[in-house]
Amino acid sequence: DVKVTQSSRYLVKRTGEKVFLECVQDMDHENMFWYRQDPGLGLRLIYFSYDVKMKEKGDIPEGYSVSREKKERFSLILESASTNQTSMYLCASRGPYGNTIYFGEGSWLTVV
Amino acid sequence: AQTVTQSQPEMSVQEAETVTLSCTYDTSENNYYLFWYKQPPSRQMILVIRQEAYKQQNATENRFSVNFQKAAKSFSLKISDSQLGDTAMYFCAFTPLLYSGAGSYQLTFGKGTKLSVIP
Repeated sequence: DVKVTQSSRYLVKRTGEKVFLECVQDMDHENMFWYRQDPGLGLRLIYFSYDVKMKEKGDIPEGYSVSREKKERFSLILESASTNQTSMYLCASRGPYGNTIYFGEGSWLTVV
Repeated sequence: AQTVTQSQPEMSVQEAETVTLSCTYDTSENNYYLFWYKQPPSRQMILVIRQEAYKQQNATENRFSVNFQKAAKSFSLKISDSQLGDTAMYFCAFTPLLYSGAGSYQLTFGKGTKLSVIP
């Protein structure tokens, strides 16, 4: 059974903290994505990666960075968390030829 | 860049009735996939149905079917015999066929339609 695992479901962090959100997939997929989901705004793409060490900015990269040192792991980093980054973060990976997409369960981040 | 538009933020339907959710998209790609995803309160995204752009036949999965109009760039979802468990957010998504060009890594979602099934 294919799986995308997000290590933390619920986090509460303080303003200014560095935050790491981890995502691991076990399907040897090359493409991985980080989205944030906010009411009324749908899923907005933060960053995506198409191979190890390769990354591209999405629609809202400001305040975020990513790391892809190994194929199975794609990390989202908030260098200095701010309250407007309180949101749900979804990781996804895409199968060969793009016809299948797998999602993690989401990570709820609250910045206080 | 591709865009996906869902023009109905919220909809409701009586149990056992039929409802149609609309989705339009904009792209210059010729080969791509379209998806409808369901997100219940648990927040886990569940694939409802997938359509390959090169197939003229509309996809069907049990009570779920699509009306795919490639020329009009329209991809609506029809839910027949609505059930209480269909209550969820529904997202339309677009992705080009991988390796088809520079934009082929994009995976774009609409803003979602919140569907409520009323007993």
